[in-house]
Amino acid sequence: NAGVMQNPRHLVRRRGQEARLRCSPVKGHSHVYWYRQLPEEGLKFMVYLQKENIIDESGMPKERFSAEFPKEGPSILRIQQVVRGDSAAYFCASSPRQGGNEQYFGPGTRLTVT
Amino acid sequence: DQQVKQNSPSLSVQEGRISILNCDYTNSMFDYFLWYKKYPAEGPTFLISISSIKDKNEDGRFTVFLNKSAKHLSLHIVPSQPGDSAVYFCAASGTDSWGKLQFGAGTQVVVTP
Repeated sequence: NAGVMQNPRHLVRRRGQEARLRCSPVKGHSHVYWYRQLPEEGLKFMVYLQKENIIDESGMPKERFSAEFPKEGPSILRIQQVVRGDSAAYFCASSPRQGGNEQYFGPGTRLTVT
Repeated sequence: DQQVKQNSPSLSVQEGRISILNCDYTNSMFDYFLWYKKYPAEGPTFLISISSIKDKNEDGRFTVFLNKSAKHLSLHIVPSQPGDSAVYFCAASGTDSWGKLQFGAGTQVVVTP
């Protein structure tokens, strides 16, 4: 299966801990998007990355959240000092083209903060 | 600021009948629209899309209609099948948004036998 892979699928963290979410895009895709879905809501854009570059982080909270997409390896979404309000499903999507509208989504990581 | 709205949180339809899902948007800069389907515990799956230069796009049982003047689009599924039971998300993007998709809140479709 050459689709978008995300791990872990489920992650439980206590308040104050760090959460690291990983995303491996479709092979050959160099554009990655992260979205967050809160309960009963649609997906909300967080950040758009190309290899080694952040293109648009307008949806990222200003503090505690960071993302990277290194030259080698998966894209990482990092949440420091998690709080209960960070509990959500985090989806990664990839696209083969810059600003590609047709994005292929991974299965998501469900983060629960206790 | 919710720029893409799906005002019907749920829709129940009989197998074989038509499902019509609606979506409204407020941003006149949006020029590309997509529908995604999502099953529980899975990621959204791309279904069909339409560019603002068109008013209709068809793919098998799925047809999307776009009314730019009304800032409204709809997805028709004919005939509806039990496997169509899922949450459907409308999404939009603009030429200045680098592929950043704005999603509606979704419509839960249940197809009954």
